Amino acid sequence: GQNIDQPTEMTATEGAIVQINCTYQTSGFNGLFWYQQHAGEAPTFLSYNVLDGLEEKGRFSSFLSRSKGYSYLLLKELQMKDSASYLCAAVDSNYQLIWGAGTKLIIKP
Amino acid sequence: IAGITQAPTSQILAAGRRMTLRCTQDMRHNAMYWYRQDLGLGLRLIHYSNTAGTTGKGEVPDGYSVSRANTDDFPLTLASAVPSQTSVYFCASSKTSGNYNEQFFGPGTRLTVL
Repeated sequence: GQNIDQPTEMTATEGAIVQINCTYQTSGFNGLFWYQQHAGEAPTFLSYNVLDGLEEKGRFSSFLSRSKGYSYLLLKELQMKDSASYLCAAVDSNYQLIWGAGTKLIIKP
Repeated sequence: IAGITQAPTSQILAAGRRMTLRCTQDMRHNAMYWYRQDLGLGLRLIHYSNTAGTTGKGEVPDGYSVSRANTDDFPLTLASAVPSQTSVYFCASSKTSGNYNEQFFGPGTRLTVL
């Protein structure tokens, strides 16, 4: 079966760094997305990885290891507005997104 | 409008009633999707459409139907609502259905079936 695992909840301090992990098992693999979702709002795109390695975009970076079925999202210089859920989604062989349940990130001052 | 709109924003519905959730996008995207989001679960795909005139079943299609008469609109119909269909429904679109199909989401419809 297809499965995405990510932690349910994480807590971090304003100004710090946090890493949110995601492991996936899908039938075929055509890339991995990270989305941010604030409470009561729609998910919004953060990053996409299809090749192994690190993609950096400002305070956010995303890493992919295809051989390990593993990705992480790294958030630096945390701000209170980063309090949200972070959704990991793998693209399967049919180009459909398989979504994890999301990691709720709580930022404390 | 710019992006994707959904209507209604929220709805309380009696079990057994028929309901259509509306979704419209103005980005000329070929592919559109309907998801439901429930607490503790990931987004689950209900139905999708890779291009106008075609539709396909997702992971949880039972009890739902869709149509794609044109590029912009992708309504989702619950023929006879049941309490287990209480959820937040998101419509999304992407330029294509292939590689790097970044999906853009509408604001969602919160549906309660009593």
